[in-house]
Amino acid sequence: QKEVEQDPGPLSVPEGAIVSLNCTYSNSAFQYFMWYRQYSRKGPELLMYTYSSGNKEDGRFTAQVDKSSKYISLFIRDSQPSDSATYLCAMSNTGRRALTFGSGTRLQVQP
Amino acid sequence: DGGITQSPKYLFRKEGQNVTLSCEQNLNHDAMYWYRQDPGQGLRLIYYSHIVNDFQKGDIAEGYSVSREKKESFPLTVTSAQKNPTAFYLCASSMESAGEKLFFGSGTQLSVL
Repeated sequence: QKEVEQDPGPLSVPEGAIVSLNCTYSNSAFQYFMWYRQYSRKGPELLMYTYSSGNKEDGRFTAQVDKSSKYISLFIRDSQPSDSATYLCAMSNTGRRALTFGSGTRLQVQP
Repeated sequence: DGGITQSPKYLFRKEGQNVTLSCEQNLNHDAMYWYRQDPGQGLRLIYYSHIVNDFQKGDIAEGYSVSREKKESFPLTVTSAQKNPTAFYLCASSMESAGEKLFFGSGTQLSVL
């Protein structure tokens, strides 16, 4: 079993839809949770960062962490064609050496 | 502009050949990382370094080697011992105090001839 599980998609939605992306994990020591966005054949860029449980909102993006269920989510409101990319969840613990990444979900927003 | 520069963008390796991927950063970051990305498998950690002249193996270090002689540079050598080197290689850096917030380069695609 992988330490972090993420549905690979592809997920195809119409422009303006609300998108929900999710990851589950097995290591209860994870404290830091991130979402990275990666356009095709480019390096990932940090989108959202959350410490421990709770919600964080930034514009059209909302990140949620439920540590009791070992489940994190990224919501995208009013999705745009420019949001079409692969979204990678990542997490680490306080004794961290480096991030553990999910396999990524490919999102396509149709105009 | 501050950032991470990876070169070359594309690299081809012949059988039995060692090749070196370059990674340079001017962000004054202490920590640097190498990840390998295969289709549908996300990012897997090869090597990382939190300080000059020190580095540690990641999850898939076999067949790879690194050096960290300067803070700005963290080159990765793919040796002939790596039997399946075709992948997209990503270099990243972070401040030591914020190791969760990685800044990535634009990647190198390595293929075998």
